[in-house]
Amino acid sequence: GAVVSQHPSWVICKSGTSVKIECRSLDFQATTMFWYRQFPKQSLMLMATSNEGSKATYEQGVEKDKFLINHASLTLSTLTVTSAHPEDSSFYICSAGQGTSYGYTFGSGTRLTVV
Amino acid sequence: GESVGLHLPTLSVQEGDNSIINCAYSNSASDYFIWYKQESGKGPQFIIDIRSNMDKRQGQRVTVLLNKTVKHLSLQIAATQPGDSAVYFCAVSSGGYQKVTFGTGTKLQVIP
Repeated sequence: GAVVSQHPSWVICKSGTSVKIECRSLDFQATTMFWYRQFPKQSLMLMATSNEGSKATYEQGVEKDKFLINHASLTLSTLTVTSAHPEDSSFYICSAGQGTSYGYTFGSGTRLTVV
Repeated sequence: GESVGLHLPTLSVQEGDNSIINCAYSNSASDYFIWYKQESGKGPQFIIDIRSNMDKRQGQRVTVLLNKTVKHLSLQIAATQPGDSAVYFCAVSSGGYQKVTFGTGTKLQVIP
């Protein structure tokens, strides 16, 4: 079945630094990828939709200059949290879809802690 | 905009009993519905889905019921097992490449 790999699984960084999270589709080409953020005991909130070769579409309230998304190939999308602050600490999860599929496969998530 | 909510934030069931988790959605244009299971520290795991042209779909020990008239979705788990303990999310989409919107989640606790 479809497998989505997310890396790293956890990261601790200092305030003011940037962190890059990778999302890879291992056995299929993902034309669309989604990035979510999840705070403890809350639901997944969609941050942005990225389409291969074009700019990401951000949800209302998500700063595009702070959360940089690059979907440079059909198997890789990256989310960079720039100038991270403690309030950016969260669980970040990606999902990827194929061309005609209605279903999306989720990565295992990245736990970001900003200290 | 879309809003998706769950009736019960926490559900405790005895091992072996059936579990029913409910979900309400607001957007009548939603035509694809998914249930996910999320264990602590992990990403959501697909359980079962249903499209709007159906009102029931069965999988292994799980059944999803869709009532478009009242915009209600439910997940039934038969013979609940300790391994079913997790948070369950319903999610809705308009299909295709459209984004998936998640409900607030229900924590299922299975009592041995």
